[in-house]
Amino acid sequence: EVQLVESGGGLVQPGGSLRLSCAASGFTFNNYWMTWVRQAPGKGLEWVANIKPDGSEKYYVDSVKGRFTISRDNAKSSLYLQMNSLRAEDTAVYYCGRAMAVWGQGTTVTVSS
Amino acid sequence: QSVLTQPPSASGTPGQRVTISCSGSSSNIGSNTVNWYQQLPGTAPKLLIYSNNQWPSGVSDRFSGSKSGTSASLAISGLQSEDEADYYCAAWDDSLNGWVFGGGTKLTVL
Repeated sequence: EVQLVESGGGLVQPGGSLRLSCAASGFTFNNYWMTWVRQAPGKGLEWVANIKPDGSEKYYVDSVKGRFTISRDNAKSSLYLQMNSLRAEDTAVYYCGRAMAVWGQGTTVTVSS
Repeated sequence: QSVLTQPPSASGTPGQRVTISCSGSSSNIGSNTVNWYQQLPGTAPKLLIYSNNQWPSGVSDRFSGSKSGTSASLAISGLQSEDEADYYCAAWDDSLNGWVFGGGTKLTVL
């Protein structure tokens, strides 16, 4: 069974940093593109970033470019999202995804003073 | 303002067939395939349709997808109360080099 378990969310002040993690199991991790998607309170889904199986290509939504970094450790079947210079508008539930097909339960990030 | 345009709401009675539209442009729906997702309240999204009209394992064939030009549609037949959820379309955008979503459609079963 495919499982994706996110962690690392929490409350952080504007300008602060957080690192989200996603532990994957039940499939061959290094065969798949991986994705982060977020959902602000009461809003729709927004794609944040994705990364190629070997990590050689990464893509980001414009609003996070230069602030967020997606990475992966195929030996640990883990996906990461390093979030710096956080803003109030980054407040959301962040979902880890296998490609754009299977999602974890999400981790909540709240940016507030 | 979402790149893909969906109606904010839709409704139907049990047993009816409802359709949700998704309008895009040549850089997204016009040149790439469309996924559809269902999101029940308080839960993660679930893939309903991929590659315009394909079902992931375990998804009911009451859900069907189609695409024509720069628009796509999700049809739900034999509407059931448990279909009450938010529905999103998504596609890769060649100009933005990223995935784009519709704003979502809240389906109410009357």
